[in-house]
Formats: sequence, C-alpha cells, structure tokens
Amino acid sequence: QSALTQPASVSGSPGQSITISCTGTSSDVGAYNYVCWYQLQAGKAPKLMISDVSNRPSGVSNRFSGSKSGNTASLTISGLQAEDEADYFCSSYTSSNTYVFGTGTKVTVL
Amino acid sequence: QVQLVQSGTEVKKPGASVKVSCKASGYTFTSYVIFWVRQAPGQRLEWMGWITADNGNTRYSQKFQGRATITRDTSASAAYMELSSLRSDDTAVYYCARERPGGGGALEYWGQGTLVTVSS
Repeated sequence: QSALTQPASVSGSPGQSITISCTGTSSDVGAYNYVCWYQLQAGKAPKLMISDVSNRPSGVSNRFSGSKSGNTASLTISGLQAEDEADYFCSSYTSSNTYVFGTGTKVTVL
Repeated sequence: QVQLVQSGTEVKKPGASVKVSCKASGYTFTSYVIFWVRQAPGQRLEWMGWITADNGNTRYSQKFQGRATITRDTSASAAYMELSSLRSDDTAVYYCARERPGGGGALEYWGQGTLVTVSS
C-alpha cells in the first residue's frame, strides 16, 4: 500500500489560513469517509485533529477543519498560530481492510 | 482518564526480537481496538496492525505480516507488539493507540511511545 501524498512543507504567517492536501486513490481516500488528520509535535504523542474527513474531536480548536473532494482530502488551519507549528499526517482506510498514512507535512509559522 | 502506558526504551541487535507492552487504564479494555503505529527517524507514520481487545482478532499491514505479532492480556488490560528478525531500519518509536468507538481508524488516545534502537 503506497503512502498518501502530502506536500513536504507548508508555511504561513500568524493569522493566515493554510491548507494541506492529502492525495490518495479510488481505493482509499476516494472510496471511504474514514480520513483522519494527526498533529505531531516534538516529544509528544500524535494528536487526532480530524476524523471522518471533517469531524473535530472534543477539545480540538475550531480553527482546524477538514474536507474531501474525489481522491484528495484537505486540512485547513485558519488563524494560524505559533502553537500550530508541527508535522501533520493524514490517514485513510483502504479497500484492503487496512489503513495507510500520508507522507507528512511540516507546517511552519513564519 | 484514559491512559496508555508503554514499556521503556529498548536496544536490540540485528536479528533479535523485541516485545513492547501497552497497559491501558481508565476504560473498559475489551470494548476497544488497539492499533500499533511506528515512526522511524525523519520518516512518516506507519500503520503496523491492530487487535480487537475482546476476541483477540488481529489484522496486520502487509509489510509486517509474518514478522509482527500483536497480542493482548485482558486480565492485565494490556496489549503487546512483538517484532522479530529486527533490522537497522526497524529503529523507530513505536506507539500503541486506542481507536475511538466509531471505528474508522480514528486513534484518539496514544501511548507515550517506545524507542526501539536496532544496532550491532
């Protein structure tokens, strides 16, 4: 199972909005609404930010939102803050009854 | 509160095996699925497999099929991941994580991670 494709890096200034894409295939992202997004910060365990394409777990800022179109899912961070600087990974359920993660995106707040 | 506490750092030689534990507390262990995920230095997250805690059913990523074994001990509320025939590229932080009730691979609680270093 090949990894989902994400841009290596995305940057923005405080207060701006950024969007991270996650491109898969018709056998994973395009076939199911089981796309999740995770935030990884140094020294911390991953944190679930979005589930089921666009659902925000309790406690996650409403500045984070998710969407999907065809085989590509997206994570948008609005009102970018310094604390948002981290690596972000998408994941998807697949038609093989397995899961696959994305290649990861480093978000830098300028 | 829900907690997943993993065993400590391991250093292994190539060809050896490692077994990482994940002790759960704060919820009914048998009601959820535990996933194992790893991240090698500078690399992406990799899904390894999962275990359904009530009946012990497992599913593995093709990459780890035959080399990883995921088990659980319901009396101890713990899950385990054993990886055999270790290679240097197995050096990584290994995480256990609990899937949320609705499934779909949404991992809402994570262990602190266990660093496994494979070196001769």
